[in-house]
Amino acid sequence: GQQVMQIPQYQHVQEGEDFTTYCNSSTTLSNIQWYKQRPGGHPVFLIQLVKSGEVKKQKRLTFQFGEAKKNSSLHITATQTTDVGTYFCAFHYGGSQGNLIFGKGTKLSVKP
Amino acid sequence: SQTIHQWPATLVQPVGSPLSLECTVEGTSNPNLYWYRQAAGRGLQLLFYSVGIGQISSEVPQNLSASRPQDRQFILSSKKLLLSDSGFYLCAWKAQGYYGYTFGSGTRLTVV
Repeated sequence: GQQVMQIPQYQHVQEGEDFTTYCNSSTTLSNIQWYKQRPGGHPVFLIQLVKSGEVKKQKRLTFQFGEAKKNSSLHITATQTTDVGTYFCAFHYGGSQGNLIFGKGTKLSVKP
Repeated sequence: SQTIHQWPATLVQPVGSPLSLECTVEGTSNPNLYWYRQAAGRGLQLLFYSVGIGQISSEVPQNLSASRPQDRQFILSSKKLLLSDSGFYLCAWKAQGYYGYTFGSGTRLTVV
């Protein structure tokens, strides 16, 4: 079925370095959501992107939705130890009212 | 305010024993409710969803079942647990007109 691929699976960075995770689909998506899951915790909703080419920022986090609505990225500028966790992209299967299907996530570790 | 409660937080059960996990939502009515499972180090797999009392849809055929006896109560059950049922079980809800899913704190189930 329809799915999204996230790369990389793991990323280890030094504190202060930037980090980017990518989410790719072979089909056009109605929207894309991003979640963060801290170690031992539950996923927390970060943002939803809907429009082609959309860019949204949350402090040091920048989210982009590709022009063809087949890919998305999350970029963190100057990582901090509080950014540690797994970042998931997710999309609504079968349209904007469909159920949310998650990618496998990118696990970020930050070395102080 | 709207909150979601999920219990227990951890559970160790022998193979062949029954299972009952409960999730309740407060501060909202008629939410869409979801059960996800997360295997160790992996993404979230949608198991069941419900759009109303008594309405359950299964995404993956398996050893589990779900029920929604009340508007804000969602229960995940099994008659006989398998080793492969081990994982992190997360309940989630989505409010009408809101984009993101709100997850409960999850139950870590280990079948031994």
